[in-house]
Amino acid sequence: EVQLVESGGGLVQPGGSLRLSCAASGFPFSSHEMNWVRQAPGKGLEWVSYISFGSTIFYADSVKGRFTVSRDNAKSSLYLQMNGLRDEDTAVYYCTRGPLCPYDSWGQGTLVTVSS
Amino acid sequence: SYVLTQPPSVSVAPGKTATITCGGSKIGSKSVHWYQQKPGQAPILVMSYDSDRPSGIPERFSGSNSESTATLTISRVEAGDEADYYCQVWDSGSDQVVFGGGTELTVL
Repeated sequence: EVQLVESGGGLVQPGGSLRLSCAASGFPFSSHEMNWVRQAPGKGLEWVSYISFGSTIFYADSVKGRFTVSRDNAKSSLYLQMNGLRDEDTAVYYCTRGPLCPYDSWGQGTLVTVSS
Repeated sequence: SYVLTQPPSVSVAPGKTATITCGGSKIGSKSVHWYQQKPGQAPILVMSYDSDRPSGIPERFSGSNSESTATLTISRVEAGDEADYYCQVWDSGSDQVVFGGGTELTVL
């Protein structure tokens, strides 16, 4: 069974940093492209970032230059380093499996709250 | 940047057909994917590449895409279909994945 479990969310002040993790299991992680998608409270879905099997990476314009996606295939883990956090980054962050789109598996998400 | 436009809400009686649209410039030239999200849950993929139903999705769900509008159709709607539905595309022009704003489906 495919499992994606996000962690690392929490409360952070504006301008602060946070690192999200996504632990994958039930499938050969190194063979799959991955993404991060977020959802602000009561709002719609917003794509954040994509990482290929190797070194191809894309970011949403809203996070470019502030967020960095990476993966550790040996640990079957996906990461999102978030710097320079803003109020508008407050959201549930989902780890998803798939190419740029579509995504066939989603984690349950981790909540990031940016507030002073 | 590329924009996908969905109606905020659609209402339908049980047993009837629900039609959820997703508009975008020349969207017919892109592959459109659809997700269903119920309250408090992560989204699930209900339609990919315009009209491919993933395993486990009922045949009542179908999709189409033409010119400026993609459509997700749910036949014989059930109470359990009540959810938010989002369309999604990859815009190669801007190297961005784009989601529509979402449509809340209410089963009367």
